[in-house]
Amino acid sequence: AQTVTQSQPEMSVQEAETVTLSCTYDTSESDYYLFWYKQPPSRQMILVIRQEAYKQQNATENRFSVNFQKAAKSFSLKISDSQLGDAAMYFCAYIGGGADGLTFGKGTHLIIQP
Amino acid sequence: DVKVTQSSRYLVKRTGEKVFLECVQDMDHENMFWYRQDPGLGLRLIYFSYDVKMKEKGDIPEGYSVSREKKERFSLILESASTNQTSMYLCASSFLGHRDEQYFGPGTRLTVT
Repeated sequence: AQTVTQSQPEMSVQEAETVTLSCTYDTSESDYYLFWYKQPPSRQMILVIRQEAYKQQNATENRFSVNFQKAAKSFSLKISDSQLGDAAMYFCAYIGGGADGLTFGKGTHLIIQP
Repeated sequence: DVKVTQSSRYLVKRTGEKVFLECVQDMDHENMFWYRQDPGLGLRLIYFSYDVKMKEKGDIPEGYSVSREKKERFSLILESASTNQTSMYLCASSFLGHRDEQYFGPGTRLTVT
C-alpha cells in the first residue's frame, strides 16, 4: 500500500519570506500523480499544484513550486513571498495507476507571521 | 466553477441512529469520493464511485455504506452510528480520469453522542 509522510506538523514563516513544506511517499508504481492541497480555516479544500511522475520538470503555479525527486520519492512544496492568505493546512496526496482515491499525508499547519 | 455541496455543515446524532450524509456536484463529474478527516490522521478514503450504481471500498469502509442512484448525488450512510464515527466528512468529485483534480465540498462535521 502507498503511504504519504509529512514530517512537519506545523511550520511558521514571516510574511514575504519563503517556506518549504516536506513530503515523502512510498510506492512500487512508476506511473502516478502527486498533489498539494490547501485547506484554509473553515473553508473548502482546493488544489494548489499537481505533478505527473513521468514529467521530469517541476510543476509551478505562480508563487507555488515543487521540488520533485522521483528517485528519492520526495515531493516538497515551496511557497515564495508568503502572504497572510497562505495560512492553512497543506496536504500532500498521491494517486497511482489503479482505480483508487487519493492517499493523503497527515498535513502541515502553515502559520504566516505578519 | 465546479460546485460540490454537502447537505449539512454540522450534524449531531445519537449512538445507534441511521445517518445519511448527502453530496451533490453540479459539473457532470463521473467520479465521486467520500473521505473522513481526523486531526493528526489527515484524510482517509471511505468509499468511491466511478459511475451510477457503482461503488468501491476505500481504506476504511467498515461501518459505512454508500448509494449513487443519480450521477450528481453520492450519499454516505452510517447504518448504526457509533461515537468513533464522530469526525469531519468530506465529499469530492472529479471529471473523468481518477487522477484528475478532485473538487471538495465544505465538509460535514458529525458528532455522535
